[in-house]
Amino acid sequence: EAGVAQSPRYKIIEKRQSVAFWCNPISGHATLYWYQQILGQGPKLLIQFQNNGVVDDSQLPKDRFSAERLKGVDSTLKIQPAKLEDSAVYLCASSPGPGVVYEQYFGPGTRLTVT
Amino acid sequence: KQEVTQIPAALSVPEGENLVLNCSFTDSAIYNLQWFRQDPGKGLTSLLLIQSSQREQTSGRLNASLDKSSGRSTLYIAASQPGDSATYLCAVIQNTGANSKLTFGKGITLSVRP
Repeated sequence: EAGVAQSPRYKIIEKRQSVAFWCNPISGHATLYWYQQILGQGPKLLIQFQNNGVVDDSQLPKDRFSAERLKGVDSTLKIQPAKLEDSAVYLCASSPGPGVVYEQYFGPGTRLTVT
Repeated sequence: KQEVTQIPAALSVPEGENLVLNCSFTDSAIYNLQWFRQDPGKGLTSLLLIQSSQREQTSGRLNASLDKSSGRSTLYIAASQPGDSATYLCAVIQNTGANSKLTFGKGITLSVRP
């Protein structure tokens, strides 16, 4: 079974530029998560989707971050404009469902450097 | 608010040593606890998941224990190898109604010296 796929793996941009990350979850997984992991910290949830609907985006900086999962499969996370403090690893995870009985499976992450 | 603490932040040991990594959490109302491994700049690899009704889980040279009442978990690594060098994160999983919430510690960066 293929795992969670993410691209690109690395991205370097200048501040005020825009960037987009892509995630393809495990086939059949209805729930998709985006996490931000700043160096030296644990991952922090940015947004959770159930199919193509947003379940939790309480920690998403909505003035600059946006995410979508239009067909309930792939998802895109966008940052516009980027700030230096957005430098982090962005992790995508998926699970069969939203509840605690379902384990989350993580992708390889995208490392973003903002200069 | 759940807080997960992992101390120390970094650990260096000689090859072959048995070691224990600690994780503590403030709210004992957890569903599961999970240990992950993360190599530099990479994603998370799940090592062990302990359900709240369990006391421990084992996989190869790894053994994780859970004491909900005291808010503690330990990851025991037997006969450490240089390939074990990585950051180890623990996460507690809580039920938030229809959803689950993972709260991570900051991780312990382990270096195993040949």
